[in-house]
Amino acid sequence: GDSVTQMEGPVTLSEEAFLTINCTYTATGYPSLFWYVQYPGEGLQLLLKATKADDKGSNKGFEATYRKETTSFHLEKGSVQVSDSAVYFCALLSGNTPLVFGKGTRLSVIA
Amino acid sequence: GAGVSQSPSNKVTEKGKDVELRCDPISGHTALYWYRQSLGQGLEFLIYFQGNSAPDKSGLPSDRFSAERTGGSVSTLTIQRTQQEDSAVYLCASSRRDRAYEQYFGPGTRLTVT
Repeated sequence: GDSVTQMEGPVTLSEEAFLTINCTYTATGYPSLFWYVQYPGEGLQLLLKATKADDKGSNKGFEATYRKETTSFHLEKGSVQVSDSAVYFCALLSGNTPLVFGKGTRLSVIA
Repeated sequence: GAGVSQSPSNKVTEKGKDVELRCDPISGHTALYWYRQSLGQGLEFLIYFQGNSAPDKSGLPSDRFSAERTGGSVSTLTIQRTQQEDSAVYLCASSRRDRAYEQYFGPGTRLTVT
């Protein structure tokens, strides 16, 4: 079945550092790909999405490019802030199936 | 409120007891989802309701778990004869029918089975 694999955390970075959180997927057909974020004490919320190959999703300084050839959707941000500390989930949607989530990566940014 | 709400926020129960968890989706959202978030396990899909269609129950881990959605709105997840491995955060989400990827999540119910 469809699955998402993302890098194990936790990831700890200093403020203004470059962030990459790796995500790869396995799916039949052509899924849409997403990053969700869960800030401390809050519910998950959609961060960005890409619906077809080579699309780049972006929001709040975060970016991810849908790479069909490597079945990847890595999340990047050029300069992280303390307020970016959260748990990040990569997810895919294929056909009418519900979202399939990765296990989540906890990011801690220290000042 | 405008968001998805869940109750209770925390529930502690003894092993073997039944529990009911409630979800109020965003008004107008026809799709409703239940997930379970266990430590180190990410989000596990449990069940999905779409309008008046039969629910997708493929993620329910055992027959102790059931859910219903009354009037196409509020949903209740019931766990019978709870076990310690049922301890987790139970999340509810809703979405518009044509935007299944954009799910709005509630704050969750933290269930602890002692």
